[in-house]
Amino acid sequence: SQQGEEDPQALSIQEGENATMNCSYKTSINNLQWYRQNSGRGLVHLILIRSNEREKHSGRLRVTLDTSKKSSSLLITASRAADTASYFCATAQNSGYSTLTFGKGTMLLVSP
Amino acid sequence: DAMVIQNPRYQVTQFGKPVTLSCSQTLNHNVMYWYQQKSSQAPKLLFHYYDKDFNNEADTPDNFQSRRPNTSFCFLDIRSPGLGDAAMYLCATSRVGGGAGNEQFFGPGTRLTVL
Repeated sequence: SQQGEEDPQALSIQEGENATMNCSYKTSINNLQWYRQNSGRGLVHLILIRSNEREKHSGRLRVTLDTSKKSSSLLITASRAADTASYFCATAQNSGYSTLTFGKGTMLLVSP
Repeated sequence: DAMVIQNPRYQVTQFGKPVTLSCSQTLNHNVMYWYQQKSSQAPKLLFHYYDKDFNNEADTPDNFQSRRPNTSFCFLDIRSPGLGDAAMYLCATSRVGGGAGNEQFFGPGTRLTVL
């Protein structure tokens, strides 16, 4: 069953602006991951944050996790047209062997 | 480069005509997954293999089956495709153990059209 819910469903910004996407989930998790999907392609893993972490950075990406609110956010700074894609959060309930439950995704459009 | 490969990228079949989609990986990962993704929706897990152990999601239609003859290959068989089975089918892999965080690596997908 779907656990993650992304917000907003769609986001349109200009190049150079920051983009923030949010994800909420319902049950306890071991980790939360963010994936990017370009139109008509497979998903690409961006970043993983564990339940005992609060913030993580990777290049222009910043992810936060608030386990008390069961929510996470993905911030893309100084966005580029190439960032145009759908972004999904996915939760894993266990470490090691665990399937992922994907949210519905946020479609990001970055205009030049 | 190590990767997940799906063939074909586009598959057209007729209503009720069996079709097989294939996935191969050079990552030597022990888990392989099949997802169905319809337009503007999240990927929906159909089943996965942990080594040779097959795990079927409860709501995966009986029409869908899978085979994993060896570590590198996994197949998705749709016995009698219906119009509702038209979708993107994604194969993914992950490695369990050694501190891996169950990140999944996806292939480019196979777009299935049912006429």
